[in-house]
Amino acid sequence: KQEVTQIPAALSVPEGENLVLNCSFTDSAIYNLQWFRQDPGKGLTSLLLIQSSQREQTSGRLNASLDKSSGRSTLYIAASQPGDSATYLCAVIHSGGGADGLTFGKGTHLIIQP
Amino acid sequence: DARVTQTPRHKVTEMGQEVTMRCQPILGHNTVFWYRQTMMQGLELLAYFRNRAPLDDSGMPKDRFSAEMPDATLATLKIQPSEPRDSAVYFCASGLSVNQPQHFGDGTRLSIL
Repeated sequence: KQEVTQIPAALSVPEGENLVLNCSFTDSAIYNLQWFRQDPGKGLTSLLLIQSSQREQTSGRLNASLDKSSGRSTLYIAASQPGDSATYLCAVIHSGGGADGLTFGKGTHLIIQP
Repeated sequence: DARVTQTPRHKVTEMGQEVTMRCQPILGHNTVFWYRQTMMQGLELLAYFRNRAPLDDSGMPKDRFSAEMPDATLATLKIQPSEPRDSAVYFCASGLSVNQPQHFGDGTRLSIL
């Protein structure tokens, strides 16, 4: 059974710092890996999706990498801002059995101090 | 901007009552998912549909939960009878294909007393 782990569970940094969030998964047979952001009381917003054949994706100040063979992904946030404060979730879709549902990690709760 | 719409946003009811949660997926999306989020378990897949056909409901307690898609614009998740352990936030998401991002609604926050 696929398991997704995110480290750290919580992180607090001053505004302006660059930071890295980590995600690992136990089964490398995946279609893709997705990073989401969740604000309190809200749903999830998709940030980046990396196909299994890709190594990284970039959107603005965000860069996500994928090393499928080692079961790891990182989300790099450059020049952090207070508006980046949220919970960041990593999720994968397994490539066996035709299942399209996401398996999620428990998230990293990020606080950017002004 | 197209969005997934979920109703109600909040529901408080007593144990044993029937609960129905509704979801309007983004127009044109052919895959619809139901997830549940709790502090202990995080986000878990309950069930999903492709082209209105149920494909996987292995994450759902089948004795009390049921998921349906009466038409392409409506998905429902029912709990009967409800129990306190069902208290959670239930999210609906929709997507175009496995390699496109899933779009989430704002969830239904359910409290069973």
